[in-house]
Amino acid sequence: NAGVTQTPKFQVLKTGQSMTLQCAQDMNHEYMSWYRQDPGMGLRLIHYSVGAGITDQGEVPNGYNVSRSTTEDFPLRLLSAAPSQTSVYFCASSPGLAGAPGQFFGPGTRLTVL
Amino acid sequence: GEDVEQSLFLSVREGDSSVINCTYTDSSSTYLYWYKQEPGAGLQLLTYIFSNMDMKQDQRLTVLLNKKDKHLSLRIADTQTGDSAIYFCAESMTTDSWGKFQFGAGTQVVVTP
Repeated sequence: NAGVTQTPKFQVLKTGQSMTLQCAQDMNHEYMSWYRQDPGMGLRLIHYSVGAGITDQGEVPNGYNVSRSTTEDFPLRLLSAAPSQTSVYFCASSPGLAGAPGQFFGPGTRLTVL
Repeated sequence: GEDVEQSLFLSVREGDSSVINCTYTDSSSTYLYWYKQEPGAGLQLLTYIFSNMDMKQDQRLTVLLNKKDKHLSLRIADTQTGDSAIYFCAESMTTDSWGKFQFGAGTQVVVTP
């Protein structure tokens, strides 16, 4: 199994540009989520999904959209990038209550917005 | 909201034991976790403990949970240079179908020869 994969690894955007961060998992996990990691702030939840077709907002959802059309994929869209969105973005998945506790994380996407 | 707090930095000599501490505020937490993040990588689940347990041991790792004080610790025996990383404490509640996770800010552990 590849686990949780994220693309791209690095991205530089200009203010106002849009882009999609890709996330995929091959473990048939129900739950997927997006976090951003900023220095000294730990991980903050952006959006999450409890299954295909179901998404909800986390702690810091503004400026981001998600959709979950399949179990495997959970893309994160930045509609109009701002410098405040410079961060490291992690996608994670977990099996939910039917499986072992804990989340599996992807390697991250390092985003810089100029 | 819930808070998970950790000290930011720990320096330890190779071969010594490391103890990383964490406090949390939500008494309804069901699981508590320790994750490790190496430079440039994602978070790796090290271990977890169910809230009705006091201790869990897994090879060089020992997790202690004091529910009364809402205090969690991770002890790494015989610390090696490969243990240098950021360690995150996290909690989750599974009172509904989604176990939401709350993370601490992370403790940077530096192992010196």
